[in-house]
Amino acid sequence: GAGVSQTPSNKVTEKGKYVELRCDPISGHTALYWYRQSLGQGPEFLIYFQGTGAADDSGLPNDRFFAVRPEGSVSTLKIQRTERGDSAVYLCASRSRMVSTDTQYFGPGTRLTVL
Amino acid sequence: QKEVEQDPGPLSVPEGAIVSLNCTYSNSAFQYFMWYRQYSRKGPELLMYTYSSGNKEDGRFTAQVDKSSKYISLFIRDSQPSDSATYLCAMSKSSGDKLTFGTGTRLAVRP
Repeated sequence: GAGVSQTPSNKVTEKGKYVELRCDPISGHTALYWYRQSLGQGPEFLIYFQGTGAADDSGLPNDRFFAVRPEGSVSTLKIQRTERGDSAVYLCASRSRMVSTDTQYFGPGTRLTVL
Repeated sequence: QKEVEQDPGPLSVPEGAIVSLNCTYSNSAFQYFMWYRQYSRKGPELLMYTYSSGNKEDGRFTAQVDKSSKYISLFIRDSQPSDSATYLCAMSKSSGDKLTFGTGTRLAVRP
């Protein structure tokens, strides 16, 4: 079956602009995670959804970052007033609730460049 | 100090060598330990998943967890050029919880 998909694959924007990054999880996966990976670093947690609600948003760096998952499937990460320091690869992962497959499956990421 | 420490490398080995990759961590609450492989411009892919202390083997890969030392390892036997990638350790406090990653170790296997 299809894996986690993320669009766009690349996004170049100017400082101060608003961006939206989309994640389509694996069908049937109820848990969805957003991570951010800076160059030469491991992914850092941003937010976790269980169904439609944010179960843990402790990783969001500030109030410019917001994420939604209105129907419990697709999620959108929104960044307002982008800054050059927001440049990174934004990774999405999804997970099944079945204990035997308690694995986070990652998408290819969206590479965000803020000029 | 980061919760999870991992030598970034790069590590270069000849084909057929045994590779040892390691991470240390500081938070004793971590219970679930994973190793992910990430190719350039791709998302991380799960290689090994271990709960608590012990060893787990899957083909050429062996994962070891020593909770008393807060130390985890991944061994790759008979390394292949296709193993060239960045290897990320990751851990969580409970099943399904957010993952805390190391910085990743870049591995190059020379033909």
